[in-house]
Amino acid sequence: AQSVTQLDSHVSVSEGTPVLLRCNYSSSYSPSLFWYVQHPNKGLQLLLKYTSAATLVKGINGFEAEFKKSETSFHLTKPSAHMSDAAEYFCVVSFYNQGGKLIFGQGTELSVKP
Amino acid sequence: EAGVAQSPRYKIIEKRQSVAFWCNPISGHATLYWYQQILGQGPKLLIQFQNNGVVDDSQLPKDRFSAERLKGVDSTLKIQPAKLEDSAVYLCASSLQGQNRAEAFFGQGTRLTVV
Repeated sequence: AQSVTQLDSHVSVSEGTPVLLRCNYSSSYSPSLFWYVQHPNKGLQLLLKYTSAATLVKGINGFEAEFKKSETSFHLTKPSAHMSDAAEYFCVVSFYNQGGKLIFGQGTELSVKP
Repeated sequence: EAGVAQSPRYKIIEKRQSVAFWCNPISGHATLYWYQQILGQGPKLLIQFQNNGVVDDSQLPKDRFSAERLKGVDSTLKIQPAKLEDSAVYLCASSLQGQNRAEAFFGQGTRLTVV
């Protein structure tokens, strides 16, 4: 069965320090992988996506993610956190052979301390 | 490019009442999704349409939830009768058909409170 697991429900960092949000997936097929961000009372916004091209994917607002097939991981990173990064982050997996069905992780709440 | 439009933004109803949500996807997007997001959880897929046909409704509680997509464009999601546990944000999303590994674009959602 296909699934996605976000390993931390809450991550707290200080402003200016690196961010690491962890995501692992389970799949027998080659997946598409996405990271979405959700600010309070706002809609879900796409940060970045992996589409089987480069394994290191760059997204908006300085975020990056690296696809590691051997580890079935797609961790999200940012070198330096900003206060505006505080939000809920979702790792999402999609399977083209299933009509593009999107499966969401449980989410990681990122807090940024001044 | 206009985004995914949803209405209403907020709705409060009593249990056992009925409610309907409306979604207008991005023009040209053949795939439309309805998700339920309960507070503190990730969104859960309720139903997925490809044009006006249902691709996946395996997690839709069909005894009380129904959805339709008229002419492969707008969609409505209905709950009848509502239960307290239906309190959640209902998200509509759309994506291009046939585009390999296409991302979904989400609306602002409808926050439903059942009292």
